Amino acid sequence: GQNIDQPTEMTATEGAIVQINCTYQTSGFNGLFWYQQHAGEAPTFLSYNVLDGLEEKGRFSSFLSRSKGYSYLLLKELQMKDSASYLCAVREEYKLSFGAGTTVTVRA
Amino acid sequence: DADVTQTPRNRITKTGKRIMLECSQTKGHDRMYWYRQDPGLGLRLIYYSFDVKDINKGEISDGYSVSRQAQAKFSLSLESAIPNQTALYFCATSGGANTGELFFGEGSRLTVL
Repeated sequence: GQNIDQPTEMTATEGAIVQINCTYQTSGFNGLFWYQQHAGEAPTFLSYNVLDGLEEKGRFSSFLSRSKGYSYLLLKELQMKDSASYLCAVREEYKLSFGAGTTVTVRA
Repeated sequence: DADVTQTPRNRITKTGKRIMLECSQTKGHDRMYWYRQDPGLGLRLIYYSFDVKDINKGEISDGYSVSRQAQAKFSLSLESAIPNQTALYFCATSGGANTGELFFGEGSRLTVL
């Protein structure tokens, strides 16, 4: 089974950096995903980590430490459109289990 | 057009009614999933299918059933809807030699009165 924890809410200022942490416990691990979800919309893929280390993709970066059961998503140069929920998901074989999501509010 | 299409997008029904949510995809993926989303609980897996003849229960399958009529279609049924099944339902697909990334439909909002 899965136990995935992430903060419920975070607030940051436009142009700033925000780091969203995710910790997990799993009986099997085949990768960790981050998804973005705007209110009332479908989740959209942001990043995937299967090996330890940092994956950078434009303003977004994701880090994984498998030994610690820990990941973070780093959002840089925040924009108003980044206000959304960010979902951490752990893959076990071909099933994804999701955390409850972190709602990020970007203020001007 | 969306690659993963869900119908209906919105439905209001009464307790005890039978409801079917349909999902079709044009991505050619073998794996299909149904999730429900509730505030504060995130996405929870209801059922999943890796092939036309393959059906598997997720973590919250009670009160639900599914049918995989073809590779491209995966429907979710509530035989006798109850108010705590009020939620946003998402269909998703995954396939090929990819990372296991899920591609989501636009969601079906179901309200049971």
